[in-house]
Amino acid sequence: AQKITQTQPGMFVQEKEAVTLDCTYDTSDQSYGLFWYKQPSSGEMIFLIYQGSYDEQNATEGRYSLNFQKARKSANLVISASQLGDSAMYFCAMREGRGAAGNKLTFGGGTRVLVKP
Amino acid sequence: DAGVIQSPRHEVTEMGQEVTLRCKPISGHDYLFWYRQTMMRGLELLIYFNNNVPIDDSGMPEDRFSAKMPNASFSTLKIQPSEPRDSAVYFCASRRYNSPLHFGNGTRLTVT
Repeated sequence: AQKITQTQPGMFVQEKEAVTLDCTYDTSDQSYGLFWYKQPSSGEMIFLIYQGSYDEQNATEGRYSLNFQKARKSANLVISASQLGDSAMYFCAMREGRGAAGNKLTFGGGTRVLVKP
Repeated sequence: DAGVIQSPRHEVTEMGQEVTLRCKPISGHDYLFWYRQTMMRGLELLIYFNNNVPIDDSGMPEDRFSAKMPNASFSTLKIQPSEPRDSAVYFCASRRYNSPLHFGNGTRLTVT
């Protein structure tokens, strides 16, 4: 089974509007972390936001927020007030468990976002 | 603070040649990871090190791939002999314990 599923291969969003990128995950661990990364066309991977499984509040970082629904095993990324520079691939990732097992990040297949002016 | 530095940015080589990819992690980071990105398989973890020691190399595709970390500021990923199916973007990433992963800009490898 896929550990991280991103069901939206691509989407368009109008500049200045908000967009939600879906991410569902599969784990039996109680301790895990969820991450979102942005990969622009230049290719680098940029860390955006992190949510720990024990965090009670949804994570926020500037225009990025993570809609964490533990019971549904979803960790959707919300980008508010989209900008042209937000056009990129977005990857959801998970780190499971503690100790050595908690060191590996598993990535989803990504969602390509194109912001229209 | 310099980020993770990878070299070369692009590598084009012929099948059968040896390829060496290089990585300098962020100073103070004690974990180093090598990932490979392809259209078909997405981002795959190849190997990771903790304090220069390889911890998990279960993602290394086959014996043609090897990785070393002789010191805290340098790591290499070697492919010998290279094959066209090795064509991909190879990322090095580093982090401190319990901090997010920081990626380098990647090396785009093309094997003809």
